[in-house]
Amino acid sequence: GQQVMQIPQYQHVQEGEDFTTYCNSSTTLSNIQWYKQRPGGHPVFLIQLVKSGEVKKQKRLTFQFGEAKKNSSLHITATQTTDVGTYFCAGSMEYGNKLVFGAGTILRVKS
Amino acid sequence: NAGVMQNPRHLVRRRGQEARLRCSPMKGHSHVYWYRQLPEEGLKFMVYLQKENIIDESGMPKERFSAEFPKEGPSILRIQQVVRGDSAAYFCASSHMIVASGGQPQHFGDGTRLSIL
Repeated sequence: GQQVMQIPQYQHVQEGEDFTTYCNSSTTLSNIQWYKQRPGGHPVFLIQLVKSGEVKKQKRLTFQFGEAKKNSSLHITATQTTDVGTYFCAGSMEYGNKLVFGAGTILRVKS
Repeated sequence: NAGVMQNPRHLVRRRGQEARLRCSPMKGHSHVYWYRQLPEEGLKFMVYLQKENIIDESGMPKERFSAEFPKEGPSILRIQQVVRGDSAAYFCASSHMIVASGGQPQHFGDGTRLSIL
């Protein structure tokens, strides 16, 4: 079945450093979504990418969707302690609502 | 403007008992999803429902687990004869109906932390 791989599993950075998490799907995706989960909290929707090669920005966060629509990345510039949490990518294979989540990248920020 | 409501937040059961987890979607949302999460792991899809219909239950164990989303009332995830391995956080999410251009964001509840003694 469809698999979504996400790396790295953990990332510890110094406050102010950049951070990137990568997501790869075994199949072509119709869209990819990104979520953030704070420790002890629930996943919160960040963004959805639909088009091949799409790039979207939210303040210090940059999201990319690969040309082949099989990979995606999230880049955070100049991390802050408020960025701490687990970042999940989630892909949908067809024009439907079922999402397959990556395992997540746990981000820790040292101040 | 209530979000997705899950209850209970914490549930303790002994082995062999039944666990019932409830989820009320956001107002206007007709699609409900259930996920299971172990500590420091990802979200494992279990089941996707619309009102009175199970759309996809490919992630749900065939035995002991069932889910429903009745015409009236919350969605229920039911686990019969619980075992220690069922201990996890169970998240419910809801979304609007599908649109042709892509998926819909899913809005998550706070989850139910299930502990089996």
